[in-house]
Amino acid sequence: DTAVSQTPKYLVTQMGNDKSIKCEQNLGHDTMYWYKQDSKKFLKIMFSYNNKELIINETVPNRFSPKSPDKAHLNLHINSLELGDSAVYFCASSQGRGPYGYTFGSGTRLTVV
Amino acid sequence: AQTVTQSQPEMSVQEAETVTLSCTYDTSESDYYLFWYKQPPSRQMILVIRQEAYKQQNATENRFSVNFQKAAKSFSLKISDSQLGDAAMYFCAYRSFNTDKLIFGTGTRLQVFP
Repeated sequence: DTAVSQTPKYLVTQMGNDKSIKCEQNLGHDTMYWYKQDSKKFLKIMFSYNNKELIINETVPNRFSPKSPDKAHLNLHINSLELGDSAVYFCASSQGRGPYGYTFGSGTRLTVV
Repeated sequence: AQTVTQSQPEMSVQEAETVTLSCTYDTSESDYYLFWYKQPPSRQMILVIRQEAYKQQNATENRFSVNFQKAAKSFSLKISDSQLGDAAMYFCAYRSFNTDKLIFGTGTRLQVFP
């Protein structure tokens, strides 16, 4: 059973479209995250949710909107996609504060054309 | 704000040899956690090893070990008996005691030659 699963794995879309990426974890973790990995492989946090509550909201365009219907799910909706949004988006979960690493999903490669 | 620096964009090692990847970080905190993650071509992020700052003993996981120097704010990863499957991007990461945020370095690409 996949611990953190995100869909789709690949997404190719045109500029201006709206798209969503879904994430689910079956680890019972309270905290979930979205990270963006750019073309230079740099990983940067976008959002963090703890038990459906938004905890971290980094400087991200408001075209990006996370939604957490329950603590096992965290989706990412992106409006009016731009070329610069092309990246790999990772969902992750964690037991919370402490010496816990994150468990990552396999990533979604988003390509905006 | 905390920062993590990996000064080696690329490293290479011969199979069965040992390689050390460097990581330094900047923080004013005394309690925190440090991690090394591996990202093979499959893109999956895999936790390799972790270290709690209050522990003086260096963490070890099979062929992977760290050299944690708290005063120098250094956290290097040593891979012994390197294998072809160790070829990947390696990321050093910092996590504050008080927050959920994991801050990553820019990564080191490790090549392993037979």
